[in-house]
Amino acid sequence: EPEVTQTPSHQVTQMGQEVILRCVPISNHLYFYWYRQILGQKVEFLVSFYNNEISEKSEIFDDQFSVERPDGSNFTLKIRSTKLEDSAMYFCASSSLDGAVAEAFFGQGTRLTVV
Amino acid sequence: AQRVTQPEKLLSVFKGAPVELKCNYSYSGSPELFWYVQYSRQRLQLLLRHISRESIKGFTADLNKGETSFHLKKPFAQEEDSAMYYCAPWADTGRRALTFGSGTRLQVQP
Repeated sequence: EPEVTQTPSHQVTQMGQEVILRCVPISNHLYFYWYRQILGQKVEFLVSFYNNEISEKSEIFDDQFSVERPDGSNFTLKIRSTKLEDSAMYFCASSSLDGAVAEAFFGQGTRLTVV
Repeated sequence: AQRVTQPEKLLSVFKGAPVELKCNYSYSGSPELFWYVQYSRQRLQLLLRHISRESIKGFTADLNKGETSFHLKKPFAQEEDSAMYYCAPWADTGRRALTFGSGTRLQVQP
């Protein structure tokens, strides 16, 4: 069964460094998402991506964040100049259609620890 | 403001007992409603959606527009149901993405 794959599973980085979280969505999916979950808190929407551009982003997704689909298979989340409060679990998701119609499939998450 | 509320952080029941995980929403328009589940060390996965009216793993959820609720129910809990459960509306206005509730941890004791 196809799965959304995220790498790495755990990333430790120093405050102020840039990190890139990688996701390989399911191959025929068209809609891509990033969510994050700070320890003990709810899963929060960051950004949605369709047709090679951001379709929507939350207030969390400020200039520190960017997303890219560089090669038609990977979907990346870049966090510039990481802060301690960026420590969280980051989930990638994809769906074949608008998620109101089709199920969103989630990756297993990348745990980002900023020290 | 659009909001989804899961009032219980933890629900602990014994095996065989009925389960009801509460979800209330405050959304304009007519949201699609979903329940997602996350078993220990596994990824978030769709459990059910109100539009399909299916029963998955014995769980059902009825949309009550009057009470703006979408509670998840199961008549007889099993130990393997222990997991985090997230109610997630998808609104047809505003943000077109899942918005998750804070989640309820269901603990089914033997």
